[in-house]
Amino acid sequence: KNEVEQSPQNLTAQEGEFITINCSYSVGISALHWLQQHPGGGIVSLFMLSSGKKKHGRLIATINIQEKHSSLHITASHPRDSAVYICAVRKSGGGADGLTFGKGTHLIIQP
Amino acid sequence: ETGVTQTPRHLVMGMTNKKSLKCEQHLGHNAMYWYKQSAKKPLELMFVYNFKEQTENNSVPSRFSPECPNSSHLFLHLHTLQPEDSALYLCASSQEGGTSYGYTFGSGTRLTVV
Repeated sequence: KNEVEQSPQNLTAQEGEFITINCSYSVGISALHWLQQHPGGGIVSLFMLSSGKKKHGRLIATINIQEKHSSLHITASHPRDSAVYICAVRKSGGGADGLTFGKGTHLIIQP
Repeated sequence: ETGVTQTPRHLVMGMTNKKSLKCEQHLGHNAMYWYKQSAKKPLELMFVYNFKEQTENNSVPSRFSPECPNSSHLFLHLHTLQPEDSALYLCASSQEGGTSYGYTFGSGTRLTVV
């Protein structure tokens, strides 16, 4: 079983819909990242969370440390939001020890 | 540009070739990473360098050899690769310690081994 699980794996929605992507993890963490990967491969960091909630434009990320769960929400979705969204955690313990990734959610927003 | 630059963007090499991937960051970060992304699999950590010292080798075959000559540059030397090594190789950097923590990825090198 992966230490980081995402759902759904694939999601197709219509433009304007409210989108939720979920992430659950089974290890102690010091931070959780939400990442966006477009075709071509480059990865962009959307959020880094250690508690609570963050908002950037139409994107909202929340984390519940007790439940070991995070969600990424997209409001008023647009075709340009189509991408793979990846949840990644930095395990607690400190130091540069890399991230552990979920398998990603492939999101398609249709016009 | 994210501040982490990887070259080349695409590479096709034969199994007997020797090639190197390059990563450069000008963010002042003190840790650098190599990750591998294969089809249908999550990203996997390969190597970590913290203050130019290798702190993690995640059971990577010896045909992959990292080099970190300074805190801004990271290389991945490749030799006698196998077709199953074809993947997207991503470099990342982060700032560890102090009061800030940032994590930035490069655009990746798409490697095809023929």
